[in-house]
Amino acid sequence: SQQGEEDPQALSIQEGENATMNCSYKTSINNLQWYRQNSGRGLVHLILIRSNEREKHSGRLRVTLDTSKKSSSLLITASRAADTASYFCATVLTGTASKLTFGTGTRLQVTL
Amino acid sequence: DTAVSQTPKYLVTQMGNDKSIKCEQNLGHDTMYWYKQDSKKFLKIMFSYNNKELIINETVPNRFSPKSPDKAHLNLHINSLELGDSAVYFCASSQQPAGTDTQYFGPGTRLTVL
Repeated sequence: SQQGEEDPQALSIQEGENATMNCSYKTSINNLQWYRQNSGRGLVHLILIRSNEREKHSGRLRVTLDTSKKSSSLLITASRAADTASYFCATVLTGTASKLTFGTGTRLQVTL
Repeated sequence: DTAVSQTPKYLVTQMGNDKSIKCEQNLGHDTMYWYKQDSKKFLKIMFSYNNKELIINETVPNRFSPKSPDKAHLNLHINSLELGDSAVYFCASSQQPAGTDTQYFGPGTRLTVL
């Protein structure tokens, strides 16, 4: 089974609203990363958060990590139509420095 | 200039054929990867090379054989293609192994096996 499960599977919001996506994982991690994938394109790295960090920001993105609950969330504030994409969390398990294990993804649709 | 490029972008072929997908990165990275994304968008690592040496080999049929002629290239050869091989294949690279560094992805190769 996948290491990362994302919730919701799909999210539809209006431009200007905030979007929150959640990722849960099963085993101890070294770090967790979020990626965006536009339709028909490759993945683009957004943020990396290490296991000893609780929150990171990058522009309109805010990522939190709760290792006790084995979960992370990605918040996109003041969303734009251009944010429409699939968002994936990916974990690096403790002791496996070379490998990213991706979650199932959340498909975000931002409408005007 | 494209950082990670793949060719071809689309590949349509018959069952039983042999095909190759090429990947090149001009970022000077040491580590390269191949991923498979299925129709449900689930992305799974297949192989990883660091300095031309294989460091990850997931449970992939031996019909799939990666080859890294140099640090900037990682090609994927697939023998005896099957219907289930239809997917989008992504190449990626990073300076350090994935656990410590950002991965940069190519645009993908959509393989359709008829």
